[in-house]
Amino acid sequence: TQLLEQSPQFLSIQEGENLTVYCNSSSVFSSLQWYRQEPGEGPVLLVTVVTGGEVKKLKRLTFQFGDARKDSSLHITAAQPGDTGLYLCAGLSIQGAQKLVFGQGTRLTINP
Amino acid sequence: EAGVAQSPRYKIIEKRQSVAFWCNPISGHATLYWYQQILGQGPKLLIQFQNNGVVDDSQLPKDRFSAERLKGVDSTLKIQPAKLEDSAVYLCASSLVPFTNSGANVLTFGAGSRLTVL
Repeated sequence: TQLLEQSPQFLSIQEGENLTVYCNSSSVFSSLQWYRQEPGEGPVLLVTVVTGGEVKKLKRLTFQFGDARKDSSLHITAAQPGDTGLYLCAGLSIQGAQKLVFGQGTRLTINP
Repeated sequence: EAGVAQSPRYKIIEKRQSVAFWCNPISGHATLYWYQQILGQGPKLLIQFQNNGVVDDSQLPKDRFSAERLKGVDSTLKIQPAKLEDSAVYLCASSLVPFTNSGANVLTFGAGSRLTVL
């Protein structure tokens, strides 16, 4: 079974600070996605990374896929209260049927 | 375009009762997924449909859970009888095509149906 471990599980910081969330696995994934989920809503896709070592930027968010395609990170610069939410990484399995495996999530709170 | 519609949004039942959830995917999306999200955890895939056929139901507790997608559009997920550990949010998602290694797929989730089993 392919597992994705996210750290930290909870993070509360002040507006304007920078932060990094990690997503790690012992398994290789063909691609990895990051989602944000707000209370009472379903996850919303932020980005998909496909190539080992790939870096994608989405305004103040920077996503990186590890060279070995086993891990990923999400870095937020100058966090804002609107960034508050549950951040989920999800890896597409490389073995057998194409299945999206989710991490347990990082609950981020940005305090004004 | 309209999003993925789910109902009911909330349901409270007692253990051993039954419950059904309904999902209407985005028009034209051939692939439909049901996920279970227990509080504090990430979503876990229960079943995946391609049109009206089942692609993956390996993590569906088939002794109590069932799902169907008649005519390849709407889908229902049923739990009978419910257990306390079934308390969770049941998320429906759809995508235009199944996942491929290109990573180009976009999975669109509904708002979910929150089930509380007492």
